[in-house]
Amino acid sequence: DIQMTQSPSTLSASVGDRVTITCRASQSISSWLAWYQQKPGKAPNLLIYQASTLESGVPSRFSGSGSGTEFTLTISSLQPDDFATYYCQQYDSFPCTFGQGTKLEI
Amino acid sequence: EVQLVESGGGLEQPGRSLILSCTTSGFTFVNYAMSWFRQAPGKGLEWVGLIRGKTYGETTEYAASMKGRFTISRDDSKDIAYLQMNSLNTEDTALYYCCRGRPAIISYYFDYWGQGTLVTVSS
Repeated sequence: DIQMTQSPSTLSASVGDRVTITCRASQSISSWLAWYQQKPGKAPNLLIYQASTLESGVPSRFSGSGSGTEFTLTISSLQPDDFATYYCQQYDSFPCTFGQGTKLEI
Repeated sequence: EVQLVESGGGLEQPGRSLILSCTTSGFTFVNYAMSWFRQAPGKGLEWVGLIRGKTYGETTEYAASMKGRFTISRDDSKDIAYLQMNSLNTEDTALYYCCRGRPAIISYYFDYWGQGTLVTVSS
C-alpha cells in the first residue's frame, strides 16, 4: 500500500496568514493526489484533484502543487472559514490511502 | 443538486451484521463509482471499498482489512449503494460515509459525500 504522510499534524495560524501543508507519498503517484477539507461534524469536501486542479466552487486562495512523491496545499490568505482539518489522498492505485490529517487552528 | 444520504446505522452487538444504504439523487447514478469510507471517533479517514459504475462492470475493490467481511453492492434501478458488514467487532465503530467517485487511470477521487451514518458496535 502507498503510505501518505502529512506535515505538520497541527498548524497554528492567524487570519490573513499564508500557510502550507505538505503531503509525501511512499512511492511516486505522479499527480494522482487530492486534497480535502473537513470541518467538525461534517463530511470531507473536495478542494483539489490531480495535485493542482481546483474543484469548482473552491476559493482561489487554495492552491496545490507537486508531483511524484511530494505535494503541497497552500492557502494564500487564511479566512475564518478555513480553520479545519485537511487530508491528502492518493488515487494512483488501490487501496485509496489518506494522510493522517493536518489540523489548522487559530 | 447532487445528494447522498446514508442510513442504516445504529447500535449493534459484536458478531452481528448490519447493512448501510446510500440513497442518491441529482446525477446519473449508473455511470458513477460509489465508495464507502469510515471515520472512528477523533480519527482520520479510512477507505472501506468501492463499486465501479456500469461502464466498468460494477466491479468492486476493498481495503484488505475489510475484504471478506464487508460487501458493497448497488441497485441502479433505485440509485442506491449498499454496504453490508458482517462479523462486526468493536473496531468497526465509526461514522460511515458514502461518496461518489470520479475515475482516474486506475483509482478514484471523491467529489460528493453524504453526511454519514454512525455505527456503534458494543455488547
